Amino acid sequence: GAVVSQHPSRVICKSGTSVKIECRSLDFQATTMFWYRQFPKQSLMLMATSNEGSKATYEQGVEKDKFLINHASLTLSTLTVTSAHPEDSSFYICSARTWGPYTDTQYFGPGTRLTVL
Amino acid sequence: SQQGEEDPQALSIQEGENATMNCSYKTSINNLQWYRQNSGRGLVHLILIRSNEREKHSGRLRVTLDTSKKSSSLLITASRAADTASYFCATDPLETSGSRLTFGEGTQLTVNP
Repeated sequence: GAVVSQHPSRVICKSGTSVKIECRSLDFQATTMFWYRQFPKQSLMLMATSNEGSKATYEQGVEKDKFLINHASLTLSTLTVTSAHPEDSSFYICSARTWGPYTDTQYFGPGTRLTVL
Repeated sequence: SQQGEEDPQALSIQEGENATMNCSYKTSINNLQWYRQNSGRGLVHLILIRSNEREKHSGRLRVTLDTSKKSSSLLITASRAADTASYFCATDPLETSGSRLTFGEGTQLTVNP
């Protein structure tokens, strides 16, 4: 099946710093990528939808200036958490959508654990 | 906001038993998908059932869909300790077909050896 990677898998940073997370589709082109956040023992919450070559669409309550998303190519989307605070500590998961006449599937990355001290 | 609700929230069974998890949703859907997540890991796609399908099988998995009740169930037969994970349903709403998934709250399944 299709593979989506995330880097880094785990990051610890100090409060006030910015952290960039990469999401790559390794063997297919993804016109759309999604970014989710998951707090412990909770479900995935969609943060934003990222389309290649255009601005991301953010969900209600998600600050676009704090969570910067760039989808510069069909295989790479990045999420930058700016001026991170302890409440931003979470598990961030991306997914990449591939679709065509007979298929429409999202493939999920392994996630990035962010801990802000 | 999350529209899916799953029950039970947690399920503990013995190896060899069957596990049934239920999911309810609120809007009309294009399809419903089930995912598995091991602790601290990403999601693994298990099965997709379209709105015009009522039942689907994949190995030890059986999924049903009742669009009139807006509910789905996932049955895992002959469970194994390795099935221990969180299971999420996700709906692809008809009005935004393919553009986003809405996840349920999940069921934490523990299979005791």
